[in-house]
Amino acid sequence: LAKTTQPISMDSYEGQEVNITCSHNNIATNDYITWYQQFPSQGPRFIIQGYKTKVTNEVASLFIPADRKSSTLSLPRVSLSDTAVYYCLVVPTGTASKLTFGTGTRLQVTL
Amino acid sequence: GAVVSQHPSRVICKSGTSVKIECRSLDFQATTMFWYRQFPKQSLMLMATSNEGSKATYEQGVEKDKFLINHASLTLSTLTVTSAHPEDSSFYICSARDLGGQMNTEAFFGQGTRLTVV
Repeated sequence: LAKTTQPISMDSYEGQEVNITCSHNNIATNDYITWYQQFPSQGPRFIIQGYKTKVTNEVASLFIPADRKSSTLSLPRVSLSDTAVYYCLVVPTGTASKLTFGTGTRLQVTL
Repeated sequence: GAVVSQHPSRVICKSGTSVKIECRSLDFQATTMFWYRQFPKQSLMLMATSNEGSKATYEQGVEKDKFLINHASLTLSTLTVTSAHPEDSSFYICSARDLGGQMNTEAFFGQGTRLTVV
């Protein structure tokens, strides 16, 4: 299972763009990169997923370099409600392999 | 999208009693579900993998006789915390993947269950 490494915490002001980078040096060919958001006392919520290059949805963008050994979650113009823990996971496709969570990044957004 | 529902959302029980937590996949069949435990300000820790129709697979250090898992159908897995003690107080979360769906790499999580043992 590919292990992920990401910063423990980040701080941002409201309205700024936030980029959270995750390292996954041992990623396998059939692995997808998935980011989850978790608020206190709630289960993780899916944000975005990608395999390579760039993926964008209404919430975030995900940048993945060619070697796929890292990925960057980009949150445009964060608001106070984006204060949460963000987890980067490497998920193998087509199998029910267990998902192991790393430390996650605790993002604190202030005015 | 696929939804995983967990019940109850919070429960308080007395020491020595048992508590059952249910996890349901609402619109897909889940042959495999996962149970996590999370302490305050910590990450999710995988406890066990629940397999429909067979025994669960427990992670190292997790007592299988204390945390009983039953996965009797393709949409329901239960976690029973037996003879609960205050140190079992935690946030328990279940997860499942819809391997038959388009986004078969996406894992769906329940809302979590806050267990407090007094």
